Amino acid sequence: EVRLVESGGGLVQPGGSLRLSCAASGFSFSNHWMHWVRQAPGTGLVWVSRISSDGSSATYADSVKGRFTTSRDNAKNTLYLQMNSLRAEDTAVYFCARPYNWNDPPDYWGQGTLVTVSS
Amino acid sequence: EIVLTQSPGTLSLSPGERATLSCRASQSVSSNYLAWYRQKPGQAPRLLIYGASNRAYGVPDRFSGSGSGTDFTLTISRLEPEDFAMYYCQQYGGSPWPFGQGTKVEIK
Repeated sequence: EVRLVESGGGLVQPGGSLRLSCAASGFSFSNHWMHWVRQAPGTGLVWVSRISSDGSSATYADSVKGRFTTSRDNAKNTLYLQMNSLRAEDTAVYFCARPYNWNDPPDYWGQGTLVTVSS
Repeated sequence: EIVLTQSPGTLSLSPGERATLSCRASQSVSSNYLAWYRQKPGQAPRLLIYGASNRAYGVPDRFSGSGSGTDFTLTISRLEPEDFAMYYCQQYGGSPWPFGQGTKVEIK
């Protein structure tokens, strides 16, 4: 069974940093591209980032480019999102998600982890 | 960057009725790489449709997708209780991969 479990969320002050993790199991993690998607409270889904299966290539939404970095450790079956210079508008539930093929939309999602940016 | 606009914002219907949701793109979606998701409150999204018209694995046949270019439609032939939820479209024909703002299907 495919399983994605996010962790690392919490309360952080504006300007601070946080690293999210996504532990993957039930599939060959190193063969799949991965995504991060976020959802601010009471609002819609926002695509954040995508990373290649080997970690060599990552793309980002303009709203997080230069502040967020997506990486992965295929030996640990774990995806990461390093978030720096956090702003109030980054407050959201962050989901990791897996597509079947590299250019497919994600078909498996974690349950998300909440990040709150507030003083 | 492609902008996706969904309509209506809210659809009020009764169980058993037909629902028609629209997703319009600001420019043509490459290879009709358009997906639809359903999201229930407090849950992660579920992929329903990919490639504009292909049902994802395990998705009931009451869900169908159509359209091409800039205009896409999700149709739910007969609403079941679990279908009262939010629906989002997403284009994945090129980075970034934006979502539409969503359509809420609520019980009338």
